[in-house]
Amino acid sequence: DQQVKQNSPSLSVQEGRISILNCDYTNSMFDYFLWYKKYPAEGPTFLISISSIKDKNEDGRFTVFLNKSAKHLSLHIVPSQPGDSAVYFCAANGDDKIIFGKGTRLHILP
Amino acid sequence: DTGVSQNPRHKITKRGQNVTFRCDPISEHNRLYWYRQTLGQGPEFLTYFQNEAQLEKSRLLSDRFSAERPKGSFSTLEIQRTEQGDSAMYLCASSLAADRGSGYTFGSGTRLTVV
Repeated sequence: DQQVKQNSPSLSVQEGRISILNCDYTNSMFDYFLWYKKYPAEGPTFLISISSIKDKNEDGRFTVFLNKSAKHLSLHIVPSQPGDSAVYFCAANGDDKIIFGKGTRLHILP
Repeated sequence: DTGVSQNPRHKITKRGQNVTFRCDPISEHNRLYWYRQTLGQGPEFLTYFQNEAQLEKSRLLSDRFSAERPKGSFSTLEIQRTEQGDSAMYLCASSLAADRGSGYTFGSGTRLTVV
C-alpha cells in the first residue's frame, strides 16, 4: 500500500519555464512533507519541506504547495535550469521515519 | 564534518556469501537510518537507530539482515547468505531526532550486485 504516490514517472520542461511536480498521499497523520532531488550515483539531497499546518513554503526558485483537503502537494521550480534535471522524490514524515514516493524524472530541455 | 559516509561504494558478491556495509553519520546526529533503493523505486525504509538503540525494523528486513550501531556512532548492515533479490542500492542517512522538518542527510550509498 503506497502512502506517497508520484503518478508521473517523467516530465520534460523547456529551460526557463516552470516545472510542476505532483504528489498525492493517503495518510492524514503525516506532519511534514519533503522533496528530495537525486542525481545518478549519489544519495538523495534534501530540497525543501512544508509543515502540515502550512499551505505554502518558498525557497528561492522552489515553492511547495500543500492542499490538505485533497491530500496533494506540488513542487514548483521557476525558472527551470539545466542543473535541475534529476529525479525528484516526494516524501512524508510520519511515525519517526520518512516514506518516499517512486520519484519523477525531470528533463530540462535546452 | 564531511557529511554521511558509506563504504564500500560498490560491492559485487556471489550468491550465498555474506556482506557487510558501513555507515558513518554526521557526528552530532543521534538518529541513523538504513534504506534500500531498487530501479524505478523510491528509497524503502529498512531500520533506524536512536543513539545505539535499534527502534524499528521494517518487515522488508528478513532474518538474513542485521544492523548494529555500537556506541551510537557508526553503523553496520550485514546481509547473510545473499540472494540475487538483495541486489540494490543501500542508503544510509542521519538526522537529529527533534528536527523533523529538515529531512535526513543521505550518504552516496553502497551498490550491491549479487551474481
